[in-house]
Amino acid sequence: DVKVTQSSRYLVKRTGEKVFLECVQDMDHENMFWYRQDPGLGLRLIYFSYDVKMKEKGDIPEGYSVSREKKERFSLILESASTNQTSMYLCASSLERGLPYNEQFFGPGTRLTVL
Amino acid sequence: KQEVTQIPAALSVPEGENLVLNCSFTDSAIYNLQWFRQDPGKGLTSLLLIQSSQREQTSGRLNASLDKSSGRSTLYIAASQPGDSATYLCAVRTSYGKLTFGQGTILTVHP
Repeated sequence: DVKVTQSSRYLVKRTGEKVFLECVQDMDHENMFWYRQDPGLGLRLIYFSYDVKMKEKGDIPEGYSVSREKKERFSLILESASTNQTSMYLCASSLERGLPYNEQFFGPGTRLTVL
Repeated sequence: KQEVTQIPAALSVPEGENLVLNCSFTDSAIYNLQWFRQDPGKGLTSLLLIQSSQREQTSGRLNASLDKSSGRSTLYIAASQPGDSATYLCAVRTSYGKLTFGQGTILTVHP
């Protein structure tokens, strides 16, 4: 079974802090994704990566950056957290770059609260 | 821009009933469609993936159909159980990096 893990289930940070959300997958997937989920807005793609050191902006990249130094790990970075970044953050992965036929598998989510 | 709509937004049924959840999308140029289940406060569990060339997929009591030309998919749940209570999300892929999600249908199955 594919396993996607996220470093924290719940996180509380203060405005202006730098925040790191970590995601690890154990199935040698090439593609990894970060989404946020908000009531009434659904899931929205922040960033994705189709290879080590590669990244592409999604629909709402403002205020976020990402890092993929190793194939299995994809980090989401909030350079200076703001209250409007309070949300549920979901990481996902899928098997192969350039082949849009693959299933996406999701992690358990990180509920981030910015005070 | 691809838009995905799910109807109904919420559904409450007695145990044992067969039910249908609907998903529609505006751009028929999709690669595939995926149905997910989400329990409160949790991540998404993939239920079924239908490629654009397929008409349906089945897994246990679940059956998903796809009519790409009309921009519709349905998820059929047979003999519903209280454990089926969750939010069901559909998502379409229109490029290799991107899933577009519907808002979900909140299903409650009461004993």
